[in-house]
Amino acid sequence: DGGITQSPKYLFRKEGQNVTLSCEQNLNHDAMYWYRQDPGQGLRLIYYSQIVNDFQKGDIAEGYSVSREKKESFPLTVTSAQKNPTAFYLCASSKTDPSGNTIYFGEGSWLTVV
Amino acid sequence: GDSVTQMEGPVTLSEEAFLTINCTYTATGYPSLFWYVQYPGEGLQLLLKATKADDKGSNKGFEATYRKETTSFHLEKGSVQVSDSAVYFCALTTGNTPLVFGKGTRLSVIA
Repeated sequence: DGGITQSPKYLFRKEGQNVTLSCEQNLNHDAMYWYRQDPGQGLRLIYYSQIVNDFQKGDIAEGYSVSREKKESFPLTVTSAQKNPTAFYLCASSKTDPSGNTIYFGEGSWLTVV
Repeated sequence: GDSVTQMEGPVTLSEEAFLTINCTYTATGYPSLFWYVQYPGEGLQLLLKATKADDKGSNKGFEATYRKETTSFHLEKGSVQVSDSAVYFCALTTGNTPLVFGKGTRLSVIA
């Protein structure tokens, strides 16, 4: 089946540890995105990439890092510098569409810092 | 910068009631507008979209019309079901830019 796969679904991290969330898509989409979701705050953009080996910071990039070595993969690392990392993380992808990007989302990853 | 404002929730309705969730936007240029739905514990699914003024997006009984004069994209459904209980997000993009989302509106439909 075509789609976006995020793993793991649930992840627990000790304070001071880095953790990497995986995102893979087989939709042949050029662009990929990471959003963070907190209750009552909607979705906030962390990083996005429109082409392999290139990415841009979103609104809340501090404490996060990404890479885009392959078109189908866009992993997110939550570093120990992220002060409040407990959240629901959503990966998404889209074609570059002149009529506007229709973005497709993965199922999300829950990260809890313990 | 671009922004989306949605009505605050939660919204609680009885089954078969009429639903309206208000969405207004601020954008430079001419945005495309979207409604996404999120069921508990899941990612977001595209519900409908409109790419130019006066376009009407529709899906699963939901509708929204792109109103440039009022910068609005209100979501409506004539008769809601319990299965429509979810969080609804209004969003926009201008050109080749990431989506900007509203804060979401939680809908609960009771039998």
